Amino acid sequence: DTAVSQTPKYLVTQMGNDKSIKCEQNLGHDTMYWYKQDSKKFLKIMFSYNNKELIINETVPNRFSPKSPDKAHLNLHINSLELGDSAVYFCASSQGLAGEGQYFGPGTRLTVL
Amino acid sequence: DAKTTQPNSMESNEEEPVHLPCNHSTISGTDYIHWYRQLPSQGPEYVIHGLTSNVNNRMASLAIAEDRKSSTLILHRATLRDAAVYYCILIRNSGNTPLVFGKGTRLSVIA
Repeated sequence: DTAVSQTPKYLVTQMGNDKSIKCEQNLGHDTMYWYKQDSKKFLKIMFSYNNKELIINETVPNRFSPKSPDKAHLNLHINSLELGDSAVYFCASSQGLAGEGQYFGPGTRLTVL
Repeated sequence: DAKTTQPNSMESNEEEPVHLPCNHSTISGTDYIHWYRQLPSQGPEYVIHGLTSNVNNRMASLAIAEDRKSSTLILHRATLRDAAVYYCILIRNSGNTPLVFGKGTRLSVIA
């Protein structure tokens, strides 16, 4: 069973388009996250949700809108895609406690042409 | 967030133990020490975490200095599949805290 799954695995699109990435976790965790890994391999937090409520938004452009229909899902919608949005996006989940690990999905590689 | 310092890269022979160091001299009393790794073309993977005492699990051991200003991740027998970037991260015990990744240590394993 895949603990944290993301779809699609690869996404190639034109500048200006709108796209979504879906994430689901079956671990029963309360907290979910989106991270971005750029071309230099730096991983950075974008958003964090706890029980469907946004708790962290790390100065991400408002073209990025996370949506959590329930605590097992955290989707990422991106409007008006730009070249600089090309990256690998990772979803993760945890119990939200510092004494527990975070579990990551396999990533979605987004390429904006 | 308290900062961690790791060597950029390390090399190990297959089937030998590997000790990956991490310095965190500004750690606070409520910071947990977490280790994650990222294999090529995969998402980060939780390895182990601890607070004050040494910890063992099926993947690795974590040795924490008595003053907590440094820690060492120990892989008891490195395999080729352990080649990855290893990240040492401090997480404050304040709930719902995301991971702040540094550059990590790139471990190469030689057959």
